Amino acid sequence: EAGVTQFPSHSVIEKGQTVTLRCDPISGHDNLYWYRRVMGKEIKFLLHFVKESKQDESGMPNNRFLAERTGGTYSTLKVQPAELEDSGVYFCASSPRRSGSGNEQFFGPGTRLTVL
Amino acid sequence: LAKTTQPISMDSYEGQEVNITCSHNNIATNDYITWYQQFPSQGPRFIIQGYKTKVTNEVASLFIPADRKSSTLSLPRVSLSDTAVYYCLVGDDNFNKFYFGSGTKLNVKP
Repeated sequence: EAGVTQFPSHSVIEKGQTVTLRCDPISGHDNLYWYRRVMGKEIKFLLHFVKESKQDESGMPNNRFLAERTGGTYSTLKVQPAELEDSGVYFCASSPRRSGSGNEQFFGPGTRLTVL
Repeated sequence: LAKTTQPISMDSYEGQEVNITCSHNNIATNDYITWYQQFPSQGPRFIIQGYKTKVTNEVASLFIPADRKSSTLSLPRVSLSDTAVYYCLVGDDNFNKFYFGSGTKLNVKP
């Protein structure tokens, strides 16, 4: 079974540009999460999809960030326009929606975003 | 959302057993305890999960006392490749977000 994949693995852009990160969750996983680690700090939650619906987007830093999950499969996270403080590693995770199993999230390798 | 407290770092030697304890005083009835391992430049990797008492799998054991306010991850006979950051996370069965603390940086020496 393929794991969570993220693309690109690394992106270098200039301040003011737009970048779109993509996450492909494990097939059949209804839950999809975005997290990020900025400047060596702790990993922080950004948002949570259940299928195509946003369940919790309390961690989104501002309206420069837009996440979508059309069709409930893969997800994209767009940053527009990018700022220097957006540099960091963006992780995607997915989990199946089955009761009584706790919350085992499977993480992707992350996308390292560098804004110059 | 229950937060966790764990040591910032630990040192060990190859072949030793390592126990990392995590405090989660505000754990709720529906919360599970999950431990993740993270290597540099990789995403967190699931190690083990439990609700109460003891859970064991092929890589680790998880001990949870009756009050569930703490848990201990036990790694038997560590090797150099176990050098990583270990996160103790609390999450409910409503599939809500995880709160990542600083984790415990385990350094295994030869």
